[in-house]
Amino acid sequence: TQLLEQSPQFLSIQEGENLTVYCNSSSVFSSLQWYRQEPGEGPVLLVTVVTGGEVKKLKRLTFQFGDARKDSSLHITAAQPGDTGLYLCAGGDNNAGNMLTFGGGTRLMVKP
Amino acid sequence: GAGVSQSPSNKVTEKGKDVELRCDPISGHTALYWYRQSLGQGLEFLIYFQGNSAPDKSGLPSDRFSAERTGGSVSTLTIQRTQQEDSAVYLCASSPWVAGPRGTQYFGPGTRLLVL
Repeated sequence: TQLLEQSPQFLSIQEGENLTVYCNSSSVFSSLQWYRQEPGEGPVLLVTVVTGGEVKKLKRLTFQFGDARKDSSLHITAAQPGDTGLYLCAGGDNNAGNMLTFGGGTRLMVKP
Repeated sequence: GAGVSQSPSNKVTEKGKDVELRCDPISGHTALYWYRQSLGQGLEFLIYFQGNSAPDKSGLPSDRFSAERTGGSVSTLTIQRTQQEDSAVYLCASSPWVAGPRGTQYFGPGTRLLVL
């Protein structure tokens, strides 16, 4: 069974601070996706990384896939209250079609 | 809109009753997934439909849970003899079939189930 562990589980910071969320596994994944979920809504895809060592940037968000494709990180620069939400990582396995294994999530609160 | 829709948005039921949750995927999406999410937690995979293939039921927690997908479109998740531990948000997602890891899953808003 593939497992993804996210840390921290909860994070409360002030507007303007930087933060990093980690997603770790002992298993290798074909791809790693990051989702953001707001209360009362389903998760929305932010990014997909598929190559070991890959780095993708989405405005103030930087996503990295580990060289061994077992871990990933999400770094937010100068966080804003609009970044508040639940961040989920999900690993994909080529051998399981489009199946995803989700991490437990990181709940981020950015205070103005 | 053209997104994934789920109904009802909220459901309160008594322990022991049966419930049916509905998912309308995005038109043309061949893959459909059901997940369960406990309060503020990650997603637990339940079942996966892909085209006309037999569904992957490996995530269903017990035989009280079943799902079907009629005509390759709408899906219904049924929970029989509900228990309090079944209380959660049930999320449905659909995706177009893309060979390999790049298929994006589009999620509905979920059904919040509370078993009293």
